[in-house]
Amino acid sequence: KAGVTQTPRYLIKTRGQQVTLSCSPISGHRSVSWYQQTPGQGLQFLFEYFSETQRNKGNFPGRFSGRQFSNSRSEMNVSTLELGDSALYLCASSLDSSRGANVLTFGAGSRLTVL
Amino acid sequence: QKEVEQNSGPLSVPEGAIASLNCTYSDRGSQSFFWYRQYSGKSPELIMSIYSNGDKEDGRFTAQLNKASQYVSLLIRDSQPSDSATYLCAVKGGVWSNFGNEKLTFGTGTRLTIIP
Repeated sequence: KAGVTQTPRYLIKTRGQQVTLSCSPISGHRSVSWYQQTPGQGLQFLFEYFSETQRNKGNFPGRFSGRQFSNSRSEMNVSTLELGDSALYLCASSLDSSRGANVLTFGAGSRLTVL
Repeated sequence: QKEVEQNSGPLSVPEGAIASLNCTYSDRGSQSFFWYRQYSGKSPELIMSIYSNGDKEDGRFTAQLNKASQYVSLLIRDSQPSDSATYLCAVKGGVWSNFGNEKLTFGTGTRLTIIP
């Protein structure tokens, strides 16, 4: 069973540019979450999508946005990049079953460097 | 006060000894608790989940939860050099009351080094 796939794995952008990151969840998983990881702040929740709808949102500016497609694949976009956006962006998927707590499975991440 | 707090370490433990990792959380409504392991340059991977007060054992790993004290811990017995990693404590809201809420709040992690 394939895991969570994130592309691209590495990318370098300059300030003011925008970037789009992609995430393909585990087959059958309907919930996709995005996290930003930096050395100083650790893992910070960005947003979560389920059935093409944003269900939860973290405390990030509007420059950070996302969407989910009918096949559960998700993309996140960061516009007007700032130096502080340099981070590892992690996508995680879960089943979102009706019983029990769901476990997140993370992808390998997309490492963004903003110059 | 941070929502989930962990000692950042580094925590150094001799090989074969017990490593004890601790985590406290601020939201009394939290119901689900997880320990993730993250090797350098890799993504987090789940090693333990716990939902009820008490201990939960899985191989060399034991998670302990005390909701009254808002405290969760992870014990690693017979520590191995391959256990050297950063351990992340994560907390989620009520299993039932927050159905569908997949947001996890993470601590900043404890870096564990097992000394051969």
